[in-house]
Amino acid sequence: QVQLQESGPGLVKPSETLSLTCTVSGASISSYYWHWIRQPPGKGLEWIGNIYYIGSTTYNPSLTSRVTMAVDTSMKQISLKLNSVTAEDTAVYYCASGILTGNLAFDVWGQGTMVTVSS
Amino acid sequence: EIVLTQSPGTLSLSPGERATLSCRASQSVSSTYLAWYQHKPGQAPRLLIYGASNRATGTPGRFSGSGSGTDFTLTLSRLEPEDSAVYYCQQYDSSRYTFGQGTKLEIK
Repeated sequence: QVQLQESGPGLVKPSETLSLTCTVSGASISSYYWHWIRQPPGKGLEWIGNIYYIGSTTYNPSLTSRVTMAVDTSMKQISLKLNSVTAEDTAVYYCASGILTGNLAFDVWGQGTMVTVSS
Repeated sequence: EIVLTQSPGTLSLSPGERATLSCRASQSVSSTYLAWYQHKPGQAPRLLIYGASNRATGTPGRFSGSGSGTDFTLTLSRLEPEDSAVYYCQQYDSSRYTFGQGTKLEIK
């Protein structure tokens, strides 16, 4: 069974860097895109970006200047860094992939991790 | 950027009724990359439909998707209490993914 697990600090100070890790179990990290998606409180879902297992990335244009994603195939982990955070970056952050549909949709999701930006 | 607009914003129906949720795109979307998700509080979103009309593994047969171009529909026949959730459509185009703003389905 494929499982994704997000981890990282639940509280980040304004202007600092948000760092999260997604650990993959039950599946190979190869041949798939790995995505980060977030949901601010009371709002809808926003795609942050993705990384292919070989390391190529695509980011949401609205966040591209602040986002960095990386993949560690040996550890089966995908990381997200979002710098210069503000209160607007407070959200539940999910990692997701399209393992079951051949990258056609987000068919596997982590449980999500809440990140609050506050001093 | 392709904007997805979902309607209605909120839908309140009784068990056994039929729900029709709409997703309209600002420009034509490939059906291959149109998906629907169910999102309940405290849970991760769950993929229901991909490729506009293909049920994901585990999606009950009373969920169906249809549409093409700029107009897509998610239909839930014979509503059950556990269908209460927010439903999102999502598309992929030109290396970018976008979601609709969601339709909240309330079961009376």
